[in-house]
Amino acid sequence: LAKTTQPISMDSYEGQEVNITCSHNNIATNDYITWYQQFPSQGPRFIIQGYKTKVTNEVASLFIPADRKSSTLSLPRVSLSDTAVYYCLVGDTGRRALTFGSGTRLQVQP
Amino acid sequence: GAVVSQHPSWVICKSGTSVKIECRSLDFQATTMFWYRQFPKQSLMLMATSNEGSKATYEQGVEKDKFLINHASLTLSTLTVTSAHPEDSSFYICSALGHEGTEAFFGQGTRLTVV
Repeated sequence: LAKTTQPISMDSYEGQEVNITCSHNNIATNDYITWYQQFPSQGPRFIIQGYKTKVTNEVASLFIPADRKSSTLSLPRVSLSDTAVYYCLVGDTGRRALTFGSGTRLQVQP
Repeated sequence: GAVVSQHPSWVICKSGTSVKIECRSLDFQATTMFWYRQFPKQSLMLMATSNEGSKATYEQGVEKDKFLINHASLTLSTLTVTSAHPEDSSFYICSALGHEGTEAFFGQGTRLTVV
């Protein structure tokens, strides 16, 4: 399973765009990149998933370069409620469990 | 999206007793479910993979006789913590793969406190 590396923590202010980058140098051909959000005492919540290039949904964008060795989660105009831990996961479409790295603790200030 | 529900959300039990946690996929069938454990300020650690109709696969270091997993139907997996001790106090989370197998849906977690 591909190992991921993310910053341990990030700070931002309300209204700013936040970009969290994840490194996954040994990503395999069949691997997808998925980001989850977790609030304290809750299960992780799916944010976005991609394979290559750019994916956008109603809450975030995911940028994946051509070599796929990294990815960047972009949160537009964050609010206080976006304060959470964000996990980048890499895995294939087979029925294997997702392996969680350390995640990035995002703190949004007023 | 698909919904995975855990019950109970929190439980307090005495040392030496057993506690059962249920994980249900509410609107889809899940042949495979996963159980994680999360200690404060730490990431999720995979404990075991639960397969419907067969024995669970445990990760290294997880005692299968202490953490009993049963996946008797396509919508229900249970985790029983037997002879619980204070060090078993943790946040237990289950997940299930969706239809296409590319997205995992997580339960809300169960906070276990052993006193």
